[in-house]
Amino acid sequence: QKEVEQDPGPLSVPEGAIVSLNCTYSNSAFQYFMWYRQYSRKGPELLMYTYSSGNKEDGRFTAQVDKSSKYISLFIRDSQPSDSATYLCAMFSGGYNKLIFGAGTRLAVHP
Amino acid sequence: ETGVTQTPRHLVMGMTNKKSLKCEQHLGHNAMYWYKQSAKKPLELMFVYNFKEQTENNSVPSRFSPECPNSSHLFLHLHTLQPEDSALYLCASSQDVGKNYGYTFGSGTRLTVV
Repeated sequence: QKEVEQDPGPLSVPEGAIVSLNCTYSNSAFQYFMWYRQYSRKGPELLMYTYSSGNKEDGRFTAQVDKSSKYISLFIRDSQPSDSATYLCAMFSGGYNKLIFGAGTRLAVHP
Repeated sequence: ETGVTQTPRHLVMGMTNKKSLKCEQHLGHNAMYWYKQSAKKPLELMFVYNFKEQTENNSVPSRFSPECPNSSHLFLHLHTLQPEDSALYLCASSQDVGKNYGYTFGSGTRLTVV
């Protein structure tokens, strides 16, 4: 079993839709959870950073962590064509441990 | 260019060639990383340097040889590669390995081995 599972998509939605991107994980020691966005021909950029369980909101983006279910989500409200990218979840347990990435979900928002 | 800069952006090399990838960060970070990104697979951590010292080699074949002359520069020397080594190679940096507030990535080098 992979440590982090993420559906690769592609996910295609119309402009203005609410998008839900998800990851599941197996290591209950993970405490820090991140979402990266990667545009075509670019490196990943950090989008959201969350510690432990709960929600974090930043503009149109909301990150949600449910440690009891080992499930994290990224919601995008009022999606725009500029949100078209690959979204990678990442997590680690703290200290000197490695950051573990999901495979990424490719999102396409069409006008 | 600010942040993390990688050169070249694209590289095509034969299996008998020797080439090097370069990464430079302007963020004052002390940890630098090499990742391999292949289609539909998670990012694969290759090497970690913290304060110029290699702290992790993730069972990477010896045809990949990293070099970190200082905290701002990281190289990946390539020789006798295989076609399956074709991928996007990403460099990243962070404050240091023990302070993980997220990595800053470069745009990567798209490597094609023919």
